[in-house]
Amino acid sequence: NAGVTQTPKFQVLKTGQSMTLQCAQDMNHNSMYWYRQDPGMGLRLIYYSASEGTTDKGEVPNGYNVSRLNKREFSLRLESAAPSQTSVYFCASRRQGGEKLFFGSGTQLSVL
Amino acid sequence: GEDVEQSLFLSVREGDSSVINCTYTDSSSTYLYWYKQEPGAGLQLLTYIFSNMDMKQDQRLTVLLNKKDKHLSLRIADTQTGDSAIYFCAERTNSGYALNFGKGTSLLVTP
Repeated sequence: NAGVTQTPKFQVLKTGQSMTLQCAQDMNHNSMYWYRQDPGMGLRLIYYSASEGTTDKGEVPNGYNVSRLNKREFSLRLESAAPSQTSVYFCASRRQGGEKLFFGSGTQLSVL
Repeated sequence: GEDVEQSLFLSVREGDSSVINCTYTDSSSTYLYWYKQEPGAGLQLLTYIFSNMDMKQDQRLTVLLNKKDKHLSLRIADTQTGDSAIYFCAERTNSGYALNFGKGTSLLVTP
């Protein structure tokens, strides 16, 4: 049982490049989330998907787009990466009615 | 959104008790959580408490909630070097699916 799987684990981009961070969960969870973690800032919510077919903005959505491809997968896209998007990105999921968020191991992204 | 505040750093000696404090501002918070993050890893849920409770104990962990003061604490008894990590306080309110996290408290346990 893999839980929440994120790919890639590390990525270096140049300013202006685009990329998609992938996230998949095998726990049949309804809700999925993307957070970013920055030193001294804690975790901030970028986007979330309460259920398949829906997505909503979180606290810091600018510069990002998401796709809830199916119940398992929730991707985060950076169309034109900026140095301010250098961060560690965490995907998480939660079953309907549950209290526990299950986190992936993170993607460390550097934008030069 | 509403702020969740924590002290940023705590150092204790192995075998002592650790107390990590948190304050939150949203009085409609229904659940409050403590997550642990070890180096290079994602967050893992340690424990959570419903807002109509004032204490929850789980082995070495004790959570105290003072709803009047909007204050949450996590006590770790007999702290071990393996408890060194970042601890995040978080709240979930009636208004949203997502959690609002504090900035995290780095706990360092020294031998």
